[in-house]
Amino acid sequence: GAVVSQHPSRVICKSGTSVKIECRSLDFQATTMFWYRQFPKQSLMLMATSNEGSKATYEQGVEKDKFLINHASLTLSTLTVTSAHPEDSSFYICSARSTEAGRQLFFGSGTQLSVL
Amino acid sequence: LAKTTQPISMDSYEGQEVNITCSHNNIATNDYITWYQQFPSQGPRFIIQGYKTKVTNEVASLFIPADRKSSTLSLPRVSLSDTAVYYCLVGQGGRGSTLGRLYFGRGTQLTVWP
Repeated sequence: GAVVSQHPSRVICKSGTSVKIECRSLDFQATTMFWYRQFPKQSLMLMATSNEGSKATYEQGVEKDKFLINHASLTLSTLTVTSAHPEDSSFYICSARSTEAGRQLFFGSGTQLSVL
Repeated sequence: LAKTTQPISMDSYEGQEVNITCSHNNIATNDYITWYQQFPSQGPRFIIQGYKTKVTNEVASLFIPADRKSSTLSLPRVSLSDTAVYYCLVGQGGRGSTLGRLYFGRGTQLTVWP
């Protein structure tokens, strides 16, 4: 099946720094990718929809200047957490949809961000 | 967007069949029903998807009644490795569609005991 690769799997950073997370569709093209965050013992929360070649669409309550999304190619979307703070510590997951594979979404393995 | 309701947790023993039911009373005509499995610190994994009646694949079956207001994921003969959180999602996703935003509910924590 289709593979979505997400890197890094774990990152620890100091408060105030920026962290970039990459999401790649390895064997298919994805015009649309999605970013989620998940706190411990909680469900996934959709943050934004990443559209290739255009601006991302953010869910209500998600700060677009805080979470920068770039979808420069059909196989790569990046999420940059700017000026990270401890409350940004979370598990971030991306997903992509392969039209060739029908309707299912394929998810990356997630990135655990810890801000000290 | 259709909201889903699932039991928060379920327990089972190895070798038993497990049925997890999800309610989605406000499902739209063009919504599909998709189930995902998630292990701790991993991304969700697709299990099965359906629109109506019954769908079966190598790992599970999905039963959807005629009114589509609910669905039941059936896992035959579960093992310890099936202990995970199971999510039922409802949303659009037709082939060629640019849509696909899926919203996760709370999910069901399935625990399989030896």
